[in-house]
Amino acid sequence: TQLLEQSPQFLSIQEGENLTVYCNSSSVFSSLQWYRQEPGEGPVLLVTVVTGGEVKKLKRLTFQFGDARKDSSLHITAAQPGDTGLYLCAGNQGGKLIFGQGTELSVKP
Amino acid sequence: DAGVIQSPRHEVTEMGQEVTLRCKPISGHNSLFWYRQTMMRGLELLIYFNNNVPIDDSGMPEDRFSAKMPNASFSTLKIQPSEPRDSAVYFCASSPRDRATSYEQYFGPGTRLTVT
Repeated sequence: TQLLEQSPQFLSIQEGENLTVYCNSSSVFSSLQWYRQEPGEGPVLLVTVVTGGEVKKLKRLTFQFGDARKDSSLHITAAQPGDTGLYLCAGNQGGKLIFGQGTELSVKP
Repeated sequence: DAGVIQSPRHEVTEMGQEVTLRCKPISGHNSLFWYRQTMMRGLELLIYFNNNVPIDDSGMPEDRFSAKMPNASFSTLKIQPSEPRDSAVYFCASSPRDRATSYEQYFGPGTRLTVT
């Protein structure tokens, strides 16, 4: 059973479009992180959200933690080819990170 | 500063052979994690250490897998004997806080293991 469900699994869009990736669970997490992974490399931390309802912005990326701390979303505005990669959400539960399956994003020029 | 260092980057071995993966965490980090990533199962936590002590090894698939952390700057993940289903990318990550509740994990580049 996957504790964290990410959707969509695959997303192919044109440069300039907006997109949202969702991360959902029935479990409560003390915090939630978003990572980005490029081929042949390890995941790189983008952001950590801790408080229910928290919104964080990182340039064109907006991250939101659900009020009940069970879900999160990542919104990218005006996507660029450099945003291409695997986006992973990870919930902190009992000191361990539980990762979602990831969203493979492809942004075409 | 150097990030998490893993070696080898690629390993191809035959079924039944012993495989040892190595990791050097970021200096000063107190927690170390071993993960396995496959297309089917995604990124799975195998084991993590805090101050060189194994805290949770519930993710280790079976007795063929073992991990050690003899000091703060080195850890190994050993598979003996290896099987084709162990083929995956194995990541090591380290975290700067005393407890694994740290919110920041820094991943190495991974070791791509192929068992034929």
